[in-house]
Amino acid sequence: QSVLTQPPSVSGAPGQRVIISCTGSSSNIGARYDVHWYQQLPGRAPKLLIFGDTNRPSGVPDRFSGSKSGTSASLVITGLQAEDEADYYCHSYDRSLSGWVFGGGTKLTVL
Amino acid sequence: QVQLVESGGGVVQPGRSLRLSCAASGFSFNTFAMHWVRQAPGKGLEWVAVISSDGSNKFYADSVKGRFTISRDNSKNTLFLQMNSLRVDDTSIYYCARDLYSSPWSPLDYWGQGTVVTVSS
Repeated sequence: QSVLTQPPSVSGAPGQRVIISCTGSSSNIGARYDVHWYQQLPGRAPKLLIFGDTNRPSGVPDRFSGSKSGTSASLVITGLQAEDEADYYCHSYDRSLSGWVFGGGTKLTVL
Repeated sequence: QVQLVESGGGVVQPGRSLRLSCAASGFSFNTFAMHWVRQAPGKGLEWVAVISSDGSNKFYADSVKGRFTISRDNSKNTLFLQMNSLRVDDTSIYYCARDLYSSPWSPLDYWGQGTVVTVSS
């Protein structure tokens, strides 16, 4: 059971918009620790997609965006493309655990 | 360009030890905190340990505390993970990753390709 809760899977057709949620608690996201998102393509290492709740590293398309409210965060992907098919993980810090935590991961399927 | 290259993985029996290395290049290694993150087969990411830029502060996940030791050699731009008393559930791909800000608010902005550790009798 992950400290940060994500849906196991989401899907959408090419061109559509999908939202991946990440639900935490008052000891992590609710404590105002930043949320980061990673994309992991099949057989590859994770890649930073969104950092500091809403920021995109250089090279990440603006189809990817992040938001945060209260004890939850969301990753929004618009204009879905086949190459977006991957696992997505949220990441934050938990002060009760005194350590970093990941969500369980969400598998995105592009139909 | 930033590169992180892990090595040292392999097959080991339960109760034995293994030492992983992560060779860093393309950035000032001694100014960044570094993490180990693992991923069991077919499972999600699990944070393992972090070490500060100068090696003075180290923190561990409860699942490895007392068995694993993170360390670094800034003169050789290398990060290490000493894994003792290995258990079957330590079987994972182990990734090293750079901590962008060296703070609890920090993302992991670069990752290595991972090294596979299999614990089996």
